[in-house]
Amino acid sequence: EIVLTQSPGTLSLSPGERATLSCRASQIVGNNYLAWYQQKPGQAPRLLIYGPSSRATGIPDRFSGSGSGTDFTLTISRLEPEDFAVYYCQQYASSPQNFGQGTKLEIK
Amino acid sequence: QITLRESGPTLVQPTQTLTLTCTFSGFSLSTSAVGVGWIRQPPGKALEWLAHIYWDDGERYSPSLKSRLTITKDTSKNQVVLRMTNMDPVDTATYYCGHTSGWLFDYWGQGSLVTVSS
Repeated sequence: EIVLTQSPGTLSLSPGERATLSCRASQIVGNNYLAWYQQKPGQAPRLLIYGPSSRATGIPDRFSGSGSGTDFTLTISRLEPEDFAVYYCQQYASSPQNFGQGTKLEIK
Repeated sequence: QITLRESGPTLVQPTQTLTLTCTFSGFSLSTSAVGVGWIRQPPGKALEWLAHIYWDDGERYSPSLKSRLTITKDTSKNQVVLRMTNMDPVDTATYYCGHTSGWLFDYWGQGSLVTVSS
């Protein structure tokens, strides 16, 4: 099974700054089927990016995904106050469809 | 518009079986490449994928929980049911169901908090 490791665990930034979140897989993710989700307290996760660079419906273009093989990145170009949340990556190429342990993006 | 809603008990006693129902609308589980999956999240912890069922009756389970899980679907009722046996306090979590295209979770329910305690 593919294990996903996200870094950093916590990222402290200010609104307007650029955020770069990393997700590394223990094996090649087939077809680059890697997704990113955002989760705010008390809410269900929301799909942001899939495949690994397509934005889901309604996601602002300040969110972008990149990478291939085993290394993937979520970039938020200019942080808005509503972007501070926990972000998870997930591979959906093979079963089990594991998630990473999450990166908490907090206001500095 | 795709919506999903989880329902079931909020409190379960240790060793009991948990039965959760996902009731959905806006799609059919008989449509090619469509699935419904379950994910859980213990308080303050990460997401954990549990199980999946697909339009073609295919099923997938988390290897670590496979012996305790059963997922079924009722296409006519637009429902998917997850059963987890031998519940333990470590199974306390919010349980989410989600619509998948292929294996990608693109729509989620609001979640159902299940506490395991005597």
